[in-house]
Amino acid sequence: DTEVTQTPKHLVMGMTNKKSLKCEQHMGHRAMYWYKQKAKKPPELMFVYSYEKLSINESVPSRFSPECPNSSLLNLHLHALQPEDSALYLCASSQGSLLGADTQYFGPGTRLTVL
Amino acid sequence: SQQGEEDPQALSIQEGENATMNCSYKTSINNLQWYRQNSGRGLVHLILIRSNEREKHSGRLRVTLDTSKKSSSLLITASRAADTASYFCATFAYSGAGSYQLTFGKGTKLSVIP
Repeated sequence: DTEVTQTPKHLVMGMTNKKSLKCEQHMGHRAMYWYKQKAKKPPELMFVYSYEKLSINESVPSRFSPECPNSSLLNLHLHALQPEDSALYLCASSQGSLLGADTQYFGPGTRLTVL
Repeated sequence: SQQGEEDPQALSIQEGENATMNCSYKTSINNLQWYRQNSGRGLVHLILIRSNEREKHSGRLRVTLDTSKKSSSLLITASRAADTASYFCATFAYSGAGSYQLTFGKGTKLSVIP
């Protein structure tokens, strides 16, 4: 199984809502990542989890809260988002714990719209 | 600062032709990776080339790396309509003591016309 799955595929939420994005991989990868991608732009790294511990937080606002319940799961909890947070949110994983040292496997993404 | 910069930003070719995309970067790197992204979907890893390698092949893909010029190229031979996508290079630089950076370029949008 070389797949990273993400749910939901699409999410529309109001600025006062609380929602969560989920990511799962069963490749035994030790690192998992959240990226944010705006239209026609490259992905921007948000968080890196290495061995289930947060190792990188790229100065992301606190309205985004990551969680890694176990080595296969990665969540992104959303609260009080702004319309400018609308984007494609991508999850990725890699075998090694060092970001970028080896191949990242990406999920299909969650298209988030904040009204 | 922006590390990888793809060139051209957009490329349109006829099916069967070859497509070449370039990526330039500014600082020393440990590896450079190429990814493909179909519209609105996740990225797919194509090739990783390490700083001590000069060329790698995978099927119809050929990647070169010139560390003296700080540039890489991705060649897709005998293009197909299914190759239509955005292509990103990503550079990885590790400076020791836990300091490292992975940076994606802005991407090249390739359109292959049947």
